[in-house]
Amino acid sequence: EDKVVQSPLSLVVHEGDTVTLNCSYEVTNFRSLLWYKQEKKAPTFLFMLTSSGIEKKSGRLSSILDKKELFSILNITATQTGDSAVYLCAVPPNAGGTSYGKLTFGQGTILTVHP
Amino acid sequence: NAGVMQNPRHLVRRRGQEARLRCSPMKGHSHVYWYRQLPEEGLKFMVYLQKENIIDESGMPKERFSAEFPKEGPSILRIQQVVRGDSAAYFCASSPPNQGGSYEQYFGPGTRLTVT
Repeated sequence: EDKVVQSPLSLVVHEGDTVTLNCSYEVTNFRSLLWYKQEKKAPTFLFMLTSSGIEKKSGRLSSILDKKELFSILNITATQTGDSAVYLCAVPPNAGGTSYGKLTFGQGTILTVHP
Repeated sequence: NAGVMQNPRHLVRRRGQEARLRCSPMKGHSHVYWYRQLPEEGLKFMVYLQKENIIDESGMPKERFSAEFPKEGPSILRIQQVVRGDSAAYFCASSPPNQGGSYEQYFGPGTRLTVT
């Protein structure tokens, strides 16, 4: 069974700090890893990573994947109070199966940014 | 392009009643997924559907829960004889047809079910 573990489970920082969120996974026939941000509503898509070592960047957020060590990190620089949310990572199931829709999520990291 | 739509956003049911949750996928998306998020827990997969077909229901409880995605209209997640433990946020997501084995799922705002 696919497994996704995130750390830390919660993190409290002040505005301007840089944070690194971790996601490790165990998946047979890895295809991709996805990061989502969840505030008080729907998870919103951030990044999809498929290749090792290639950084994806969007503003102050960036993410990278290490397929050899089976983990990904999500970095947020110069944090703002609006970054406070639960950050989720997820993996789809095995390639070649019929159920490529079944995302397995980690338990999430609760990030709180104080002013 | 409207996003994934879910209704109702909040639903209160008494124990023993039925709950019906609706999901309209994004335009052009033919795949629908339902997830459940219990308080203080992550999202758990329930069921994956395409039009008129259930592809994977491995995450659905064996009893009282059913889902459909008819040829016309929204996808419906139905919970019969609700119990307090069914109280959760139910999220629907959709995606376009798979392309090369990597894809994104787009989530609706969720339906928060409270069973009293």
